[in-house]
Amino acid sequence: EAQVTQNPRYLITVTGKKLTVTCSQNMNHEYMSWYRQDPGLGLRQIYYSMNVEVTDKGDVPEGYKVSRKEKRNFPLILESPSPNQTSLYFCASSLGTMGAEQYFGPGTRLTVT
Amino acid sequence: GQQLNQSPQSMFIQEGEDVSMNCTSSSIFNTWLWYKQEPGEGPVLLIALYKAGELTSNGRLTAQFGITRKDSFLNISASIPSDVGIYFCAGPGGGADGLTFGKGTHLIIQP
Repeated sequence: EAQVTQNPRYLITVTGKKLTVTCSQNMNHEYMSWYRQDPGLGLRQIYYSMNVEVTDKGDVPEGYKVSRKEKRNFPLILESPSPNQTSLYFCASSLGTMGAEQYFGPGTRLTVT
Repeated sequence: GQQLNQSPQSMFIQEGEDVSMNCTSSSIFNTWLWYKQEPGEGPVLLIALYKAGELTSNGRLTAQFGITRKDSFLNISASIPSDVGIYFCAGPGGGADGLTFGKGTHLIIQP
């Protein structure tokens, strides 16, 4: 089944404790992206990747890192999480860009205390 | 990334009513996409539009690509309880021309 998977689905952590949210897609998509969703603010792009070893900042990259060592995986790294990073996070992928349909993972709900 | 203006922000309707929502952009788009997000899930693509003036249906959902290429509309006919969720419009304008999204229309159906 074609899908985007994320792990974990739920995470509660403390300020400053490094964490990684994994994302994997099995559709051989080149473009991958991370979003955060907050009430009233919609989906805001954190980082994106056009292909392996090609990543760039989205609209809200501060406090986040990503890597794209393999085409299928695009982990999101929070080196020192803070409470303002409490949010719902989505990974998405698409075959290309310029309006190409993106497929979303199920989401990761992160709480930083 | 570019912001899309989506309205209304929320809708409280009775079961059986028709629903209309719209989205506008400040620049011309060659693609409009409509997604639905149910509670606890990621957004799922409902309808994709690729041509100005195009009208596309998916069951009780109908979406239109505005002829100015700066707007799009989504209609839901005869709403049912499972239509509850957040509906997002999207178009090119994200990083390296991925997608940019409207802030969503939250649809609530009252029994």
